[in-house]
Amino acid sequence: DAGVIQSPRHEVTEMGQEVTLRCKPISGHDYLFWYRQTMMRGLELLIYFNNNVPIDDSGMPEDRFSAKMPNASFSTLKIQPSEPRDSAVYFCASSLWTGLFGEQFFGPGTRLTVL
Amino acid sequence: GIQVEQSPPDLILQEGANSTLRCNFSDSVNNLQWFHQNPWGQLINLFYIPSGTKQNGRLSATTVATERYSLLYISSSQTTDSGVYFCAVEKEANSKLTFGKGITLSVRP
Repeated sequence: DAGVIQSPRHEVTEMGQEVTLRCKPISGHDYLFWYRQTMMRGLELLIYFNNNVPIDDSGMPEDRFSAKMPNASFSTLKIQPSEPRDSAVYFCASSLWTGLFGEQFFGPGTRLTVL
Repeated sequence: GIQVEQSPPDLILQEGANSTLRCNFSDSVNNLQWFHQNPWGQLINLFYIPSGTKQNGRLSATTVATERYSLLYISSSQTTDSGVYFCAVEKEANSKLTFGKGITLSVRP
């Protein structure tokens, strides 16, 4: 398997623009997670899905952020409008719950810079 | 929420040395993972270890769940071991991982 795939790997945009980050989880995994990494706050969970349904979005910073998972192989994280403080690395991760454990595997991340 | 503390925050080693990285957590957990974030930013799974001991080459990890800590051992360190080591815990089955702040390891040739 190719692992978790994210695109784009780098995104530079101007304040006020819409940004869409994409993720393809590992085939067969039933959980998908979006994390954000910044120097100030470290790695923090934004939202996660189980079988394409959002389970916990309490980490989403504000209404400017939204996430969808239209099918088992694709998810998007959208920021509209973007602000400079949104600059961070955004990671997508997926896992398979076997009833015993659910090890999470991370994608390479998208480095977002908002000017 | 659950607290995760890692120590030491920074570590400098000479190539070939051994080291122990520690992770303490404030509550019982269902899952604990160790990751290595390499200089390119990729998060690489090292161990899934909610309890017990595992070994993978020069690395090994031990989690004592009843005492709420985990240790990552690196033996015969190499320059490629440099990076940030994260401990992450999950309190409930397949929910969010809470990450520690990481341990920055520099291995010098």
